[in-house]
Amino acid sequence: GENVEQHPSTLSVQEGDSAVIKCTYSDSASNYFPWYKQELGKGPQLIIDIRSNVGEKKDQRIAVTLNKTAKHFSLHITETQPEDSAVYFCAASNPEQAGTALIFGKGTTLSVSS
Amino acid sequence: DTEVTQTPKHLVMGMTNKKSLKCEQHMGHRAMYWYKQKAKKPPELMFVYSYEKLSINESVPSRFSPECPNSSLLNLHLHALQPEDSALYLCASSQGGGDTEAFFGQGTRLTVV
Repeated sequence: GENVEQHPSTLSVQEGDSAVIKCTYSDSASNYFPWYKQELGKGPQLIIDIRSNVGEKKDQRIAVTLNKTAKHFSLHITETQPEDSAVYFCAASNPEQAGTALIFGKGTTLSVSS
Repeated sequence: DTEVTQTPKHLVMGMTNKKSLKCEQHMGHRAMYWYKQKAKKPPELMFVYSYEKLSINESVPSRFSPECPNSSLLNLHLHALQPEDSALYLCASSQGGGDTEAFFGQGTRLTVV
């Protein structure tokens, strides 16, 4: 089955700096890679996703890159703000399997200090 | 409306109690999921319902019993739980394909005493 590795487990940055979180996956059939942000006491919230036919996707300060050959994908947050502080999870899924579900990385706790 | 609603938000139950967690979505999604999340850990898949039929059961103990009464509702029936079952239980839904966005509810914080 799929296995997703995520690094680093914690990341501390100054406000305005960039933050990068990296994930690798094991199943070459996985085709969908979302990123979730989870704030304390809340459920995970989808912030951006990418499909395997795309190498990069950007949404304002957030971008995701995908390297299918190397089986890794990354989240880039620019101009970080204190409200970006949260736990971030990457995930992967194989769309060929009906009713399939996401397999999550272990998460990265991002702290942005002002 | 991209909302998945879970009730209750908090639940404390004894090991001999029977309780149910409820989840509702009105996005027309055909797949619904139960995840369990322990503190400082990622969500861990428990069950997947696809078109109201159970399609994945990740070897979850029988003290957890899922039910999908219709395409908008998902229940998780709890009976004879153990203290180690205390966790955040998350419901999610998606269009159904593995490459479609999954939306999560806020979760039910369950404490077993």
